[in-house]
Amino acid sequence: EPEVTQTPSHQVTQMGQEVILRCVPISNHLYFYWYRQILGQKVEFLVSFYNNEISEKSEIFDDQFSVERPDGSNFTLKIRSTKLEDSAMYFCASRSLSYEQYFGPGTRLTVT
Amino acid sequence: AQKVTQAQTEISVVEKEDVTLDCVYETRDTTYYLFWYKQPPSGELVFLIRRNSFDEQNEISGRYSWNFQKSTSSFNFTITASQVVDSAVYFCALILSFGNEKLTFGTGTRLTIIP
Repeated sequence: EPEVTQTPSHQVTQMGQEVILRCVPISNHLYFYWYRQILGQKVEFLVSFYNNEISEKSEIFDDQFSVERPDGSNFTLKIRSTKLEDSAMYFCASRSLSYEQYFGPGTRLTVT
Repeated sequence: AQKVTQAQTEISVVEKEDVTLDCVYETRDTTYYLFWYKQPPSGELVFLIRRNSFDEQNEISGRYSWNFQKSTSSFNFTITASQVVDSAVYFCALILSFGNEKLTFGTGTRLTIIP
């Protein structure tokens, strides 16, 4: 069964460093998303991406964040200058024309 | 703006007991979808069910059942004859059908099944 994959599973970085989180959505899906979950809290929407552009973003998704679909399979989230409060689990999700979003296993980002 | 409330933060039941997880939602839109996701200790989010706002039929899938009532804006989830493998955090979520891409999640209910 097709699934969303994410790499790395865990990333440790120093404050101020840039990180790129990678996702491979399900191959025939058209809509792509990033969410984050701070430890023990609820899952929060960051950004949605369709037809090679951002379709919606939350107030969390400020100028330090960017997304890209550099080729036909990968979908990346870049954080330019990480802060301590960026430490969280980051989930990628994708969907086809139906509304259920399928999530990857997540990347745990730890900023020290 | 839409909102999802899961008032039960933690529930513990003994194995084989039935348990119901509550979900109440708020939206001004008439067309929307509701979801339940399971987050086991390993951390991934597993899709369980989708329901659209025009379909109030209850659904049963094995030991899982869902009760959708528009009159009370609730979408409750019942596990029958619970098993230890059901231990997880369960999230209820809402998405609007038009123009709004994001899933709005509730705060989750941590369910612990005691052997």
